[in-house]
Amino acid sequence: GAVVSQHPSWVICKSGTSVKIECRSLDFQATTMFWYRQFPKQSLMLMATSNEGSKATYEQGVEKDKFLINHASLTLSTLTVTSAHPEDSSFYICSASGTGESTEAFFGQGTRLTVV
Amino acid sequence: GQNIDQPTEMTATEGAIVQINCTYQTSGFNGLFWYQQHAGEAPTFLSYNVLDGLEEKGRFSSFLSRSKGYSYLLLKELQMKDSASYLCAVKDSNYQLIWGAGTKLIIKP
Repeated sequence: GAVVSQHPSWVICKSGTSVKIECRSLDFQATTMFWYRQFPKQSLMLMATSNEGSKATYEQGVEKDKFLINHASLTLSTLTVTSAHPEDSSFYICSASGTGESTEAFFGQGTRLTVV
Repeated sequence: GQNIDQPTEMTATEGAIVQINCTYQTSGFNGLFWYQQHAGEAPTFLSYNVLDGLEEKGRFSSFLSRSKGYSYLLLKELQMKDSASYLCAVKDSNYQLIWGAGTKLIIKP
């Protein structure tokens, strides 16, 4: 299956700093990438959908100025958590899909963010 | 609103069979997916159903009834490594994945 690489797999940062998470599709062109957040023992929650070359579409309740998403190419999307706070500590996962409407979503390995 | 229901937790014995149910109410339907997720890891794809019926893949099978808004994942010959959360997800009319809360499956020896 297709490979999506997410980096870093874990990060610890100080409160008030920013953290960038990268999501790369290694062997296919990802026209759409999705960013999810998952708190312990909870389901995946979609944060935003990004299409290459256009602005991301954020889900209700997700602050677009805090969670900056850039999808500059068909193989790379980034999520930047700005001015991170302890409540932003979570598991962040990206997924990517190609142009096929019925294709599965391919997931990155996830990033465990801890804000201290 | 959109809703996907699945049991929170199930327990089964090694070597046995377990069925995990999923019911959904979504705006449109473009396929149902089952994923396996071990703690702290990203979900991995198990199966995809878009037409009614049973899809078999080794020890795992998935069934879909679109008229009933119902699916199940059947796991046979359970192994300890099958202990994980199993997520049901539906692609809605916008081809966006809507996720269930997941079923935590505990396998006992």
